[in-house]
Amino acid sequence: EAGVAQSPRYKIIEKRQSVAFWCNPISGHATLYWYQQILGQGPKLLIQFQNNGVVDDSQLPKDRFSAERLKGVDSTLKIQPAKLEDSAVYLCASSLFLGQGYRGELFFGEGSRLTVL
Amino acid sequence: EDKVVQSPLSLVVHEGDTVTLNCSYEVTNFRSLLWYKQEKKAPTFLFMLTSSGIEKKSGRLSSILDKKELFSILNITATQTGDSAIYLCAVESNNNDMRFGAGTRLTVKP
Repeated sequence: EAGVAQSPRYKIIEKRQSVAFWCNPISGHATLYWYQQILGQGPKLLIQFQNNGVVDDSQLPKDRFSAERLKGVDSTLKIQPAKLEDSAVYLCASSLFLGQGYRGELFFGEGSRLTVL
Repeated sequence: EDKVVQSPLSLVVHEGDTVTLNCSYEVTNFRSLLWYKQEKKAPTFLFMLTSSGIEKKSGRLSSILDKKELFSILNITATQTGDSAIYLCAVESNNNDMRFGAGTRLTVKP
């Protein structure tokens, strides 16, 4: 079974530039998540999709971050303009939706490491 | 505000030692607690705990949840260098929110 695919693995940009990350979840997983993991901290949820709808984006800095999952499969996370504090690993994860609000375990991609100079 | 606190933040042991990692939480409408292992890449799933007092076991790893005292422990016996990783605890609530702790960095020396 193919895992969660993310690209690029690494990205270095200057502040105020833009960047986009791509995620392809495990086939059949209805729920997709983007997490931000700053060095030394646990992952922090940015946005959660159920199929192509947003379930939770309460911690997404909407003035600079955006995400979409147009066809309910792949997803893109964009940062524009980037700030120094956006340097982090951006993890995409997916899970099955088991009904009645329950889900299976999260399967994570290998992450996209962003460095903002 | 919901929070998940892991301790210790880092731990250095020698091969063969037994370690206990702690996770305490304050979460509204608790649903489950999960443990993940994160090496240099993506976190990988270890255990999901939903009921108090029932130990989950996988090889040298085991975990138990105490819903009254709001904590969980992850035990690793006979540690090996391959156990070196960051161990993440996450707590899921009924509103589908999953909050992670900062992790415990375990280093196992030969």
